[in-house]
Amino acid sequence: EAGVAQSPRYKIIEKRQSVAFWCNPISGHATLYWYQQILGQGPKLLIQFQNNGVVDDSQLPKDRFSAERLKGVDSTLKIQPAKLEDSAVYLCASSPLSLSHGYTFGSGTRLTVV
Amino acid sequence: EDKVVQSPLSLVVHEGDTVTLNCSYEVTNFRSLLWYKQEKKAPTFLFMLTSSGIEKKSGRLSSILDKKELFSILNITATQTGDSAVYLCAGFYNTDKLIFGTGTRLQVFP
Repeated sequence: EAGVAQSPRYKIIEKRQSVAFWCNPISGHATLYWYQQILGQGPKLLIQFQNNGVVDDSQLPKDRFSAERLKGVDSTLKIQPAKLEDSAVYLCASSPLSLSHGYTFGSGTRLTVV
Repeated sequence: EDKVVQSPLSLVVHEGDTVTLNCSYEVTNFRSLLWYKQEKKAPTFLFMLTSSGIEKKSGRLSSILDKKELFSILNITATQTGDSAVYLCAGFYNTDKLIFGTGTRLQVFP
């Protein structure tokens, strides 16, 4: 089966600019997650979708971050405006409703804010 | 506050050595513990452990969970340079969410 697709792979922006990341999960996976992984740390959950509804966005900095999942398939994560501390790898993951092997992660987008 | 703590943070060994990676957790409504290997960006799934005392094996890797003492270990025998990676431990809880530790960086030299 095809994996979780993410784009772009790398992005460099100046602080206060905006940026968007895209994720296409594995076909049929109902649940989609966005994680932020700062260098030297483990991934931290930003938002969890089930189909096109938000299950948990308690750790999403909503003053600058937003996310949507259109028609319960693709998802975009946006940062506006970006700060230096947003430099990280943004990982998208998906899973079926019956979770037996954890999530499948995409390759991530490495964001550098200068 | 829920947390997952891994040790050591970093490990340097020679090929052929055996290593043990540790993971302790305090996770509300804990369901399972997962191990992932992260070589570049995407973590890849290794094991999901739900029951105490049952060892899971995959080749030279094995892992076990102790739900009484709230920890897990990941063993790698006869290490190879291809085992060099960050190994992440994560607690799986509530509505299908994972909380990750900071990882153990393993470097295997020839």
